[in-house]
Amino acid sequence: QVQLVQSGSELKKPGASVKVSCKASGYSFTKYGINWVRQAPGQGLQWMGRINTNTANPTYAQGFTGRFVFSLDTSVTTAYLQITGLKADDTAVYYCARDLGGYDYFDSWGQGSLVTVSS
Amino acid sequence: QSVLTQPPSLSGAPGQRVTISCTGSSSNIGAGYDVHWYQQLPGTAPKLLISGNNIRPSGVPDRFSGSKSGTSASLAITGLQAEDEADYYCQSYDSSLSGYVFGTGTRVTVL
Repeated sequence: QVQLVQSGSELKKPGASVKVSCKASGYSFTKYGINWVRQAPGQGLQWMGRINTNTANPTYAQGFTGRFVFSLDTSVTTAYLQITGLKADDTAVYYCARDLGGYDYFDSWGQGSLVTVSS
Repeated sequence: QSVLTQPPSLSGAPGQRVTISCTGSSSNIGAGYDVHWYQQLPGTAPKLLISGNNIRPSGVPDRFSGSKSGTSASLAITGLQAEDEADYYCQSYDSSLSGYVFGTGTRVTVL
């Protein structure tokens, strides 16, 4: 069955970096894109962007440029989200979710990774 | 800030019908892009509930239905059950932003 399994919770200090992983299984990895979605505490869902798993070409949403980097390791069918220069308001649950591309929907989600930024 | 607006909360008694609206604009829903809906139970990841405006994935009860008209879309839950208590989000594509957008989210409470 399709599974997206994310790395565990992280506690980081302001200014540090974090790398969240999303391991895909149960389907052809390069057939679906991987999206990243942020959910701050008590808030709604915010689309951060997407990485094309065929070309490794990333697309970043407004507000998620500069400190946010999407990457892949297709040999282990894993996508990564790296955030540098962490700030307190980066504290959130980060989800990966797959889509078929185009103007599509997210049919499978990871369980979420909580990143807490605190001194 | 989201470009798709939903009511913050709705409630209903068991067995009742509730309808969640999702209001967009000419650059997203009104441009013809499909609307999709997700259910997020407390403490869990979102789950796809409706795709392509009105298509229920396998395993989703037929109590859930979606529709779209003009610049808006709706999710209806008929025969409300206690297990339907959750947050619901609409999602579409926005051509002005060149990316996906989510609605503001609606918390449904079963009285």
